[in-house]
Amino acid sequence: AQSVTQLGSHVSVSEGALVLLRCNYSSSVPPYLFWYVQYPNQGLQLLLKYTTGATLVKGINGFEAEFKKSETSFHLTKPSAHMSDAAEYFCAVSNGQAGTALIFGKGTTLSVSS
Amino acid sequence: NAGVTQTPKFRVLKTGQSMTLLCAQDMNHEYMYWYRQDPGMGLRLIHYSVGEGTTAKGEVPDGYNVSRLKKQNFLLGLESAAPSQTSVYFCASSHGVEAFFGQGTRLTVV
Repeated sequence: AQSVTQLGSHVSVSEGALVLLRCNYSSSVPPYLFWYVQYPNQGLQLLLKYTTGATLVKGINGFEAEFKKSETSFHLTKPSAHMSDAAEYFCAVSNGQAGTALIFGKGTTLSVSS
Repeated sequence: NAGVTQTPKFRVLKTGQSMTLLCAQDMNHEYMYWYRQDPGMGLRLIHYSVGEGTTAKGEVPDGYNVSRLKKQNFLLGLESAAPSQTSVYFCASSHGVEAFFGQGTRLTVV
């Protein structure tokens, strides 16, 4: 079975500050890992994904995440927050088999203040 | 290219009423999914389909039925709506491991 834990349901940062959203996973097989972003009243948009290969993954809007197998983590970071980054962020895991549904964490709401 | 389209976007139902949510994708994806999103709960899988004519239960299937008569469409039905089904419903499709999501349907049951 697979599961995802997102530490912190709400994270607040100042504009220009580092963004760090935490995600830990549990998986009995090599995981595929994803970060999605949801802006208010919109659907989910893929930020980045890890499948195999390089453990540091770069995504859209300046975000990146690092897969650390030893820590079972896939934390999302951005060096400098923008006001437009305020949204809800979801970490998700898959077993990598085509058609397998993603399993999501409960989400982290990011607030950015000026 | 519309991607994944959900109809309707908003709906208010009375307890006991029935309704069908429609999901249509134009990417020729084999796999389709219905999730519900509730505050503090993330997205939970209701039902999914691995191909035309197939459906399977997810994590929270009770009170819902689905059909996939055509490859591009995945319907979610509520036979007798309950207030506990007030939620935002998302449809997604995929051809591999990455899922593409619709804009959601906000359903309120009063």
